[in-house]
Amino acid sequence: DQQVKQNSPSLSVQEGRISILNCDYTNSMFDYFLWYKKYPAEGPTFLISISSIKDKNEDGRFTVFLNKSAKHLSLHIVPSQPGDSAVYFCAASRDNNNDMRFGAGTRLTVKP
Amino acid sequence: DTGVSQDPRHKITKRGQNVTFRCDPISEHNRLYWYRQTLGQGPEFLTYFQNEAQLEKSRLLSDRFSAERPKGSFSTLEIQRTEQGDSAMYLCASSSLAGPLYHEQFFGPGTRLTVL
Repeated sequence: DQQVKQNSPSLSVQEGRISILNCDYTNSMFDYFLWYKKYPAEGPTFLISISSIKDKNEDGRFTVFLNKSAKHLSLHIVPSQPGDSAVYFCAASRDNNNDMRFGAGTRLTVKP
Repeated sequence: DTGVSQDPRHKITKRGQNVTFRCDPISEHNRLYWYRQTLGQGPEFLTYFQNEAQLEKSRLLSDRFSAERPKGSFSTLEIQRTEQGDSAMYLCASSSLAGPLYHEQFFGPGTRLTVL
């Protein structure tokens, strides 16, 4: 059961422009959402997160937006840099954090 | 402490053989997780430990899979009688129960298993 979905397998953006990665979820029990970035031959690394009590969280160039009614979240990267090129995974968990569910990932390519 | 480490990084085995992977979490982390990732998919939860207790197992974890964390520190994941469908990246992650980062799981580099 795919409870977390990333419908765009890839995204290509020009350096300096905004990258928007999208994620949808189906389980209304999820109350914490995370974005992970993964480079080849490495494990996922935590990027940014948001609790369901918020609708926006910002950290430098990265902002995550949460729309609970639509069960949708997005990650905005602005300005995009070539070093941002990686696979981005959306993940969701419940308060007990026992079982984090991941989307299939979106491969972001930022072109110089 | 430099993060979560996993050993080996790569394992090639023949169908029917047993394999064992090791994970060393970040030293003060209480929780340790195992995930499996196949090509084009995100990590799929297999099991997790809180200290030495295995508290949850996914239905993905068949009887051929067993995980241990005997002293609440490192963990091992064993796959018996490997099948070609077991070929995947096996990821370990750890997290702390306390503090502002308790939701975040920190991942190791993974062990890539190839079953011939």
